[in-house]
Amino acid sequence: DIQMTQSPSTLSASVGDRVTIICRASQNSYNYLAWYQQKPGKAPKPLIYRASTLESGVPSRFSGSGFGTEFTLTISGLQPDDFATYYCQQYNSNPLTFGGGTKVEIK
Amino acid sequence: KLVESGGGLVQPGGSLRLSCAVSGFTFNSYWMHWVRQAPGKGLMWVSRINNDGTAPIYADSVKGRFAISRDNAKNMLYLQMNSLNSEDTAVYYCTRGQPNLSYYDLWGQGALVTVSS
Repeated sequence: DIQMTQSPSTLSASVGDRVTIICRASQNSYNYLAWYQQKPGKAPKPLIYRASTLESGVPSRFSGSGFGTEFTLTISGLQPDDFATYYCQQYNSNPLTFGGGTKVEIK
Repeated sequence: KLVESGGGLVQPGGSLRLSCAVSGFTFNSYWMHWVRQAPGKGLMWVSRINNDGTAPIYADSVKGRFAISRDNAKNMLYLQMNSLNSEDTAVYYCTRGQPNLSYYDLWGQGALVTVSS
């Protein structure tokens, strides 16, 4: 199984900050990497797929990059609605696996 | 749209069947998955079924206890869960994926399953 490791697990930031979340895969996942946003009590919402392609309707302040084993999610200009938990997921091989999550908190 | 139902409280060793009602897209064109999230924890893939239902696969932790199925005529996805234990306590999400390996572009609201005596 491909293990996905996210860092940091918690991130404290202010509105307007640029934040970066890292996701590392234990094996080459090419660009089969997705990012999701989850708010308390809600289902995850897809943000990015193929490592860098924004899902329809996702604001352009979100961006993704990376290939192989290291990936990043960047939020350029954090907004109040962005405080949430973010998960990466590899879909290069079964079983599909998720990172442990990064909670973005208000500083 | 994906709408789960069938969650609830069940005793250890018991059984429960989750359902996921699908609307708004051509159900038989998509592979479907169940993903779960234990309270306060991260996401874990549980099971996947291909578009005609012939090739289900399972996470090791549920293999032999859970069974995924679908009824394309009724636009329904199911998860039969047997021999439940406390580690199965979670919110179970029905999710949609493209054929073969894919991310999940549509999620249901989730169904809470609590295994407790």
